[in-house]
Amino acid sequence: DAKTTQPNSMESNEEEPVHLPCNHSTISGTDYIHWYRQLPSQGPEYVIHGLTSNVNNRMASLAIAEDRKSSTLILHRATLRDAAVYYCILRGAQKLVFGQGTRLTINP
Amino acid sequence: DTGVSQDPRHKITKRGQNVTFRCDPISEHNRLYWYRQTLGQGPEFLTYFQNEAQLEKSRLLSDRFSAERPKGSFSTLEIQRTEQGDSAMYLCASSRGLSRLAGSKGSSYNEQFFGPGTRLTVL
Repeated sequence: DAKTTQPNSMESNEEEPVHLPCNHSTISGTDYIHWYRQLPSQGPEYVIHGLTSNVNNRMASLAIAEDRKSSTLILHRATLRDAAVYYCILRGAQKLVFGQGTRLTINP
Repeated sequence: DTGVSQDPRHKITKRGQNVTFRCDPISEHNRLYWYRQTLGQGPEFLTYFQNEAQLEKSRLLSDRFSAERPKGSFSTLEIQRTEQGDSAMYLCASSRGLSRLAGSKGSSYNEQFFGPGTRLTVL
């Protein structure tokens, strides 16, 4: 399974944008980039995914580098509810392979 | 609530006992997954089913672990002769089959919807 590298933790303020980076230099041409997050005491939840082009949905945006060796999850206006562990996952099969993720803290 | 449900939410057992967990997926989802998560770590894949067929098992799934999905709907995960190292959160997820991502040449992988988990404590 291709490996991703994320910062262990990040901190931001409420109502400000948050950029969560992920490096995946060994990504293969068929791997999709998926992001999930896990709120405290809950199961993970899907955030967004993409292959080559940038993607937007109601929760976030995903910016994918042209060489696909890195990506950034963008929360445009963080709220306290966005405090969670965010996982960047390269998906080339049915299973999800989670790393350590980035623990995001939002300050009021 | 039409999400993924798991039962029980908490289970405390003594070492050596057998335990069984149940997962009810979202009704139209034909894929079902089991993961295990220990404190401070990301979830680890255990196994997955497409309908009633178990298509992949992790090496983490020792011979003390068995999972079934007899009618392609709910699933059970049984752990025999529990050990203290089995203490963890057991997560179940479900998804639809493969779909095509707009503009892609290949197929995407549908999002997985997770249940709240069953927390197992082995004393």
